[in-house]
Amino acid sequence: EVQLVQSGAEVKKPGDSLKISCWASGYTFTDYWIGWVRQMPGKGLEWMGIIHPGDSDRRYSPSFQGRVTFSADKSINTAYLQWSSLEASDTGMYYCASPSGSWGQGTLVTVSS
Amino acid sequence: QTVVTQEPSLTVSPGGTVTLTCASSTGAVTSDYYPNWFQQKPGQAPRALIYSTRNKHPWTPARFSGSLLGGKAALTLSAVQPEDEADYYCLLYSDGFWVFGGGTKVTVL
Repeated sequence: EVQLVQSGAEVKKPGDSLKISCWASGYTFTDYWIGWVRQMPGKGLEWMGIIHPGDSDRRYSPSFQGRVTFSADKSINTAYLQWSSLEASDTGMYYCASPSGSWGQGTLVTVSS
Repeated sequence: QTVVTQEPSLTVSPGGTVTLTCASSTGAVTSDYYPNWFQQKPGQAPRALIYSTRNKHPWTPARFSGSLLGGKAALTLSAVQPEDEADYYCLLYSDGFWVFGGGTKVTVL
């Protein structure tokens, strides 16, 4: 069974950096893309982009290009989403998802001074 | 960037049928857009229902079906159950990117 397990909720200040994780199990991690999705409070889903853990090929949605960075560690079957300088507008729930249809449970990121 | 449009809300009676649609600003939606559909209930992560237009995941109830209809992707819910009340999102592949629609809130009343 494919499972994606994300790291816990985070509370940060504007300007902070942050890296959240998505641990995958139940399949060969390097064979499939992992996608990242944002959901701002009370809003719809937004496709942020995808990473292929096998070769670290990344595709960013134009709306998120330059704002976030995807990475992956094949040795521990984990994908990451990171920010170098958070803004209040980054507050939201972040999900990882696989082509198999499995989604992580989400990581709530709150950015507030 | 491509804009994907869904009905903001639909209401259906228990046991009834409702069809949700998903349109692309670039033109008619075809199988080359690989339409996906997701269900999200309050406080829960989205759940994948349909991929590549009409393919179901092992957990997708038989009453959900995907298709292409009048230049749009469509999700039909048949014999609707109270537990089908949720937000539904489509996802299309276009010009090298994936784009979600704004979602349809389905009320079972």
